[in-house]
Amino acid sequence: DVKVTQSSRYLVKRTGEKVFLECVQDMDHENMFWYRQDPGLGLRLIYFSYDVKMKEKGDIPEGYSVSREKKERFSLILESASTNQTSMYLCASSPPGQGIGKNIQYFGAGTRLSVL
Amino acid sequence: GENVEQHPSTLSVQEGDSAVIKCTYSDSASNYFPWYKQELGKGPQLIIDIRSNVGEKKDQRIAVTLNKTAKHFSLHITETQPEDSAVYFCAPTQHVDEKLTFGTGTRLTIIP
Repeated sequence: DVKVTQSSRYLVKRTGEKVFLECVQDMDHENMFWYRQDPGLGLRLIYFSYDVKMKEKGDIPEGYSVSREKKERFSLILESASTNQTSMYLCASSPPGQGIGKNIQYFGAGTRLSVL
Repeated sequence: GENVEQHPSTLSVQEGDSAVIKCTYSDSASNYFPWYKQELGKGPQLIIDIRSNVGEKKDQRIAVTLNKTAKHFSLHITETQPEDSAVYFCAPTQHVDEKLTFGTGTRLTIIP
């Protein structure tokens, strides 16, 4: 079974702190994604990565950055946390979809971040 | 980009009845249509998907139907059970596009 592990289930941080959310997958997937989930807004893509050291902005990248130094690990960084970044953060990974006609993403359990 | 609408946003059905969730999309190039289920405290998980060359697919109590002309597809759950209570997301896309654009979700509650 594919396993995507997010380092923390719950985090409480103060405004202005630098926050790191870590995600590790064990299936050698090329693609990794960070989403935030808010009531009524669904899942919104923050950043994604096709390969090591590669990153692409998603729909809501402002206030976030990412790092992918190893294939299995994708980190989301909040440089200076703000209260409007209080949310559920979900990490996902996927193999390349072109060869199989599908695009399946495997998700971690999420990190609920509260910024006070 | 893809504009995805999902209806209804909440749905309550009596145990044993059927539930239907509809997803409308804008990009006529979309050719892959998955549904994800998110149980409480977990991340979303793929439960069923369909490709554009197929009009309907069934897997036990769940099915997905596609109307490419009208640009919508639906999730059907029959004989609902308490474990079907969850949030459901659609994510229409082109399978060559590694990203997914998710709908806003439908919270399904099964009433015992």
